[in-house]
Amino acid sequence: QVQLQESGPGLVKPAETLSLTCTVSGGSISNYYWSWIRQPPGKGLEWIGYVYNNGNTNYNPSLKSRVTISEDTSKNQFSLKLSSVTAADTAVYYCARSGGTWHFNYWGQGTLVTVSS
Amino acid sequence: EIVLTQSPATLSLSPGEKATLSCRASQSVRGYLLWYQHKPGQAPRLLIYDTSTRATGIPARFSGSGSGTDFTLTISNLEPEDFAVYFCQQRSAWPLTFGGGTNVEI
Repeated sequence: QVQLQESGPGLVKPAETLSLTCTVSGGSISNYYWSWIRQPPGKGLEWIGYVYNNGNTNYNPSLKSRVTISEDTSKNQFSLKLSSVTAADTAVYYCARSGGTWHFNYWGQGTLVTVSS
Repeated sequence: EIVLTQSPATLSLSPGEKATLSCRASQSVRGYLLWYQHKPGQAPRLLIYDTSTRATGIPARFSGSGSGTDFTLTISNLEPEDFAVYFCQQRSAWPLTFGGGTNVEI
């Protein structure tokens, strides 16, 4: 059974870079699309972007200038970096897997990241 | 981007009753509408994809319907484990977008 687990700091200061890692177990990271999705408190989910096949990426235009998603196949992990964060980036961040049909059939449990000084 | 609006925000029902949840898109999503169930502290679970196809292992009491811009998730005969938040997602256009969710509560 494929499992995803997010990890990273729960508190980030404004203007700094948020960094999260998703560790995948129970299956290879190769040949799937690996996305980051977030949910600010009291709001709906927002797709941030994906990485595919060790370098191909696609980002939400609303975040594109600040986002980098990468994968490390040797560790079966992929990562999110979001720069110049503000309080509006406070959210529960999820990692998720899909195929090319964009069904998110595996998700992590999510990790809360708070942006505050 | 395509905006998905879910209603109602909260649905208060009892076990055994039927739940009818709505997801309306700001433009046609051509049937590429998915539904997920999300319980606190757990990973979301894919229920329905492409309007009406149940994902693997999803019970038949979950059904989806609709077309174009208006979609419905129906949960017949609510079981205690069905009380959760449900959200929709479209995969018709980039960026992928999600609805705000409906909380089905006891």
